[in-house]
Amino acid sequence: NAGVTQTPKFRVLKTGQSMTLLCAQDMNHEYMYWYRQDPGMGLRLIHYSVGEGTTAKGEVPDGYNVSRLKKQNFLLGLESAAPSQTSVYFCASSYPDGLETQYFGPGTRLLVL
Amino acid sequence: AQTVTQSQPEMSVQEAETVTLSCTYDTSESDYYLFWYKQPPSRQMILVIRQEAYKQQNATENRFSVNFQKAAKSFSLKISDSQLGDAAMYFCAYAGNTGKLIFGQGTTLQVKP
Repeated sequence: NAGVTQTPKFRVLKTGQSMTLLCAQDMNHEYMYWYRQDPGMGLRLIHYSVGEGTTAKGEVPDGYNVSRLKKQNFLLGLESAAPSQTSVYFCASSYPDGLETQYFGPGTRLLVL
Repeated sequence: AQTVTQSQPEMSVQEAETVTLSCTYDTSESDYYLFWYKQPPSRQMILVIRQEAYKQQNATENRFSVNFQKAAKSFSLKISDSQLGDAAMYFCAYAGNTGKLIFGQGTTLQVKP
């Protein structure tokens, strides 16, 4: 099992450019999440999904969109990148087994100039 | 809304000694889960230990144990026989009815040889 994987690992964007971050999991998990981590802070939830075809907003959703067309994939899109979106992005997945444990990907470092 | 607070931005411990990291949280829910995650310089989020709120017994995982005080809403992590590989940022996290994780600000642990 690869667990949770994220692509790309690092990306530099110019203000106004768009990009998509891909998260994939091979654990057959129902729930998937996107977080951002800023320096000196914990992770904050951007969007999440409780199943294929469903998405919901988290704590800091503005400027991001997501899609869950396949159970194993969760895409995070930035339509018009801003310097404030410079951050490390983490994807996570979990199974609704009552244990609520989330498994994290390795992170994507995004720099917006 | 639930909140998680880690009041120690940095801690240090001598190798082989014991250290305790503090975490407090605020919630009106009765059923929830608490977690400690470790984030080494690689940025990978690694689950250290999990505690179900309905369990009175404190969780333990090898050298890691927690002191869960439900009435005081306190959830500290004790690391015994500290090792150089324990050096990392540690995050306390809360998951309630929604399953979404709420993270504290993190504590950077330095282990001195």
